[in-house]
Amino acid sequence: DIVVTQSPDSLAVSLGERATINCKSSQSVLYSSNNKNYLAWYQQKPGQPPKLLISWASTRESGVPDRFSGSGSGTDFALTISSLQAEDVAVYYCQQYYSTPPITFGQGTRLEIK
Amino acid sequence: QVQLVESGGGVVQPGRSLRLSCAGSGFTFSSYGMHWVRQAPGKGLEWVAAILYDGSSKYYADSVKGRFTISRDNSKNTLYLQMNSLRAEDTAVYYCAKEVEESRFLEWLFDFWGQGTLVTVSS
Repeated sequence: DIVVTQSPDSLAVSLGERATINCKSSQSVLYSSNNKNYLAWYQQKPGQPPKLLISWASTRESGVPDRFSGSGSGTDFALTISSLQAEDVAVYYCQQYYSTPPITFGQGTRLEIK
Repeated sequence: QVQLVESGGGVVQPGRSLRLSCAGSGFTFSSYGMHWVRQAPGKGLEWVAAILYDGSSKYYADSVKGRFTISRDNSKNTLYLQMNSLRAEDTAVYYCAKEVEESRFLEWLFDFWGQGTLVTVSS
């Protein structure tokens, strides 16, 4: 199974500042035939189910603010929030869907306001 | 709008059984692969099981293989998870999740999740 590891486990950022969460997979999730990275990011606010933010490593879902962006390829990825808003406080998870089953999630990164 | 409503959770003793249900609406249920994902209290997400749009293929995490069974009734727009031989480590909120696209294959990517149902395994 592909192991997905996020860093850091928790992060405190001031309002309006940039937040970056990293995700590393134990093997490449880049499919060479279509040049797509099978990596997604979810946001989970307290008491709510996860919400899909980004798929294919960098494709923002409809309705997701453009302050959220995904980057990376192969085994190393990042989720960046360009200007942190209060409503962005949540736990963020990355998920690989390259080698299935099973899909695997990172352990989560808790994002708080400094 | 898309709705997924789980039910059937509760407190159950170790070794006993429980069946979860997930009622879907607002989309063509019979055209989408569906999944169960669980989250132990204060922990991360763990994929549990998946089923193809027509129920012809099913997949399980090693941790539940042989104990849990996923199924669906497309005439009732409902997904099920039959959980047998429950263990304390199965204690979690169980979410059903819908795949992002209609497909004859599983995409393994979820665009909508239910609110979840809590299963507590305890004597």
